[in-house]
Amino acid sequence: GNSVTQMEGPVTLSEEAFLTINCTYTATGYPSLFWYVQYPGEGLQLLLKATKADDKGSNKGFEATYRKETTSFHLEKGSVQVSDSAVYFCALTTSGTYKYIFGTGTRLKVLA
Amino acid sequence: DADVTQTPRNRITKTGKRIMLECSQTKGHDRMYWYRQDPGLGLRLIYYSFDVKDINKGEISDGYSVSRQAQAKFSLSLESAIPNQTALYFCATSPGISNQPQHFGDGTRLSIL
Repeated sequence: GNSVTQMEGPVTLSEEAFLTINCTYTATGYPSLFWYVQYPGEGLQLLLKATKADDKGSNKGFEATYRKETTSFHLEKGSVQVSDSAVYFCALTTSGTYKYIFGTGTRLKVLA
Repeated sequence: DADVTQTPRNRITKTGKRIMLECSQTKGHDRMYWYRQDPGLGLRLIYYSFDVKDINKGEISDGYSVSRQAQAKFSLSLESAIPNQTALYFCATSPGISNQPQHFGDGTRLSIL
């Protein structure tokens, strides 16, 4: 079946450091891939998405590239801020299904 | 106003009580979902609905029931709550178009003593 694996946290960085959160997937067919962010006390918010191979999703300085050859969708940001502290979820869905598959989440803590 | 609204936001109750969590949406989406979130386990699907007459069990439906009262409303019930149902519960919606993202409410934190 389809699955998403993301790196375990927590990830602790200093402000302005470079961020990478790894995400790999297994899927039949051609999945669409998503990154969601969850701030304390809130629901998941879509951060970015990519719907086909080599697409790059980007938003708020975050980027992720859909790599079919390595089945990966790693999240990156060049310079993190304290306000980026949150839990990040990688997710996928495939055409014709109801199901969204989520990773277990990676907690990011950014220190001033 | 939020596109997906969950009530209540927090609830503490006792073992054996019946509880209803409510979800309403203004996005006009056909599909609605209920998930629970537990630390280290990510999101697990409880029930999903494609329209008012189409309701389906997810991976962890035991001990839960749902009602889709209208396109915009989808409620989750715990008939007789037990402590291991203590969790954060999320409602989500999606359009009936493949490969589109879900939209989430802010969650209900439920504690069962």
